[in-house]
Parts: sequence; C-alpha cells; structure tokens
Amino acid sequence: NAGVMQNPRHLVRRRGQEARLRCSPMKGHSHVYWYRQLPEEGLKFMVYLQKENIIDESGMPKERFSAEFPKEGPSILRIQQVVRGDSAAYFCASSPPRTSGRENEQFFGPGTRLTVL
Amino acid sequence: GQQLNQSPQSMFIQEGEDVSMNCTSSSIFNTWLWYKQDPGEGPVLLIALYKAGELTSNGRLTAQFGITRKDSFLNISASIPSDVGIYFCAGLLNAGGTSYGKLTFGQGTILTVHP
Repeated sequence: NAGVMQNPRHLVRRRGQEARLRCSPMKGHSHVYWYRQLPEEGLKFMVYLQKENIIDESGMPKERFSAEFPKEGPSILRIQQVVRGDSAAYFCASSPPRTSGRENEQFFGPGTRLTVL
Repeated sequence: GQQLNQSPQSMFIQEGEDVSMNCTSSSIFNTWLWYKQDPGEGPVLLIALYKAGELTSNGRLTAQFGITRKDSFLNISASIPSDVGIYFCAGLLNAGGTSYGKLTFGQGTILTVHP
C-alpha cells in the first residue's frame, strides 16, 4: 500500500508568489489534515478536510491560506502572496474511515519544505 | 488552548540503555499517539492508545495512557543506534461522537544513542 504522498518535497518561492502544496491520502482514507512545523518545534494543526468539505480550519491563518479536498484529485494547500514567515515544513496526514475503528490514527506524508526568499 | 508538555527535551544515552519520556496536558484527551520523526521525513506512528490506563507495546516500545487522561509515557527498552530521532506525543479529543481530528503535539524529545 502506498503511503500518504506529498509533492513537491521542496518548494522555493519569492515573496509575493503563490505556493501550492499537494497531498494524496492513503488508499481508502477520506480524512485529510494539514500541519505546519517550524524548525525544532512540534507540528501545529492547520485544517481538517473530508471530501469536498472543510471540517475544522481553526488552525489556518485567516488571510492568504486556503485548503481544498475535491471529489477527484489530491488535497491542495494554497498560500497566496507568500512571506518569509511562511517558510516551514508542511505535512499532510490521512486517517482511516470511522467504520475501521481506527479513525484517530493519523498517518503522515514526507512533507513539503517551503522556502521563501 | 490545549498544550502538551513533553519531557525531557533531549536525551543522550548509551546503546543498550532504556529510555523513558512523558507528556502531560492541562486538558483531557480521548486518544494519545506517539510518533518518531527522522530528519527530513514525516512523523511515523509508533503506538496508539485509546483507553485510560491502557498499556500497549510495539516491539521494544511500551506506552501507557494515564488514568487521568492528561498524561502518557513512552518507554524504549535496550536502545539501538537506529532509535535516534525525535519522538513526539500527540493528543486528540473527540467529543459527543464528533471527531475533531485535531492533533495537539508535544515539543518533542530528541534522542541520541551512542554506540
């Protein structure tokens, strides 16, 4: 079974550009989560999505950040007009459906390391 | 908001020694998870705990869900060089049958194992 896939692994943007980060959950998983990690810190929750729905976006900045998980295709985390403070590792996770009894177990992808110049 | 205090921040041990780390919270959680992260990679799930008092093992790893639901610990026995990495605890709260899905992470424990 393929794990959670993220691309690109590394992304370099200049201030003011847009960054698009992609995440494909594990096969059979319909819940997707995005987290941000600053150097030498733990991961911070950003947003929780199911197919075509945002369930909880309480950790996402109100401006410039958006996320979607369309019916077809990967989940996308979009950062508009990036600033240097957006430089971080962004991780996507997915979890099994509730019917599995393991819906609280989140499996992480390898991350996208965003550098803003 | 919810906060997790993880300790120790770092550990330097000799190969073969046992290791213990713990997390405490100001809030209760329904689920505790322990992850290991290698440099440049995403966290890998080691152990999931679902019930207060639960003790679960995965090879040389043992973790417990505290009775108060506000703490958890992870033990690694007979450490080996490949145990090197950063270990994170994470708590999740489900309320009223609704999965919030939001993991709260500790700050991590950096483990170094000397051969």
